[in-house]
Amino acid sequence: DIQMTQSPSSLSASVGDRVTITCQASQDIRSDLGWFQQKPGKAPKRLIFAASSLQSGVPSRFSGSGSGTEFTLTISSLQPEDFATYYCLQHHFFPWAFGQGTTVEIK
Amino acid sequence: EVQLVESGGGLVQPGRSLRLACRTSGFIFGTYAMSWFRQAPGKGLEWVGFVRSTVYGGTTEYAASVKGRFSISRDESESIAYLEMSGLKTDDTGVYYCSRGQDPATGIWSDAFDIWGQGTMVTVSS
Repeated sequence: DIQMTQSPSSLSASVGDRVTITCQASQDIRSDLGWFQQKPGKAPKRLIFAASSLQSGVPSRFSGSGSGTEFTLTISSLQPEDFATYYCLQHHFFPWAFGQGTTVEIK
Repeated sequence: EVQLVESGGGLVQPGRSLRLACRTSGFIFGTYAMSWFRQAPGKGLEWVGFVRSTVYGGTTEYAASVKGRFSISRDESESIAYLEMSGLKTDDTGVYYCSRGQDPATGIWSDAFDIWGQGTMVTVSS
């Protein structure tokens, strides 16, 4: 099974900061990876699909990059509404697998 | 408006069964795969299972933790995806979400996981 190692597990940042979250896959998953944002008590929201394509309606400060085994989600200038938990999901091989999540907290 | 609405959650004793429903609207259900996910209290997201569209045979895939106990089906006439859960364990407690998917054979993921339901809570406890 594919293992997704997401880091960091949490981070503290200030409004305006640049934030980077990474996911490493244990095998080559091409670009079959999505990034999701989840706020407490809410369903996940897709931010990025196919590793680097921005979901319609998502602010352009979010971007994704990578392919194969190394992937990155970047928030170029953190906004108050971005404080949440972020997950990557590989859907190249069954069983699909999420990273452990990264909680972005206010510094 | 594209929408998914889960229902059927509740409190159930260990070993019993429960059926969740994911009612869909706003898109052509038969041309989409569907996925189920869950989240235990205070924990991360977990993929539960997947059903291909009828175009690709409506076949299913499951996580090891639920294989043999959970079953996903589709009602094409009502545009509903079901998650039948049997032999429930306390570890199955959590919020269950359905999400629109796409058939892997297409290699196209632009519409996969773009829409999620609000979730339904399942509590397995004696």
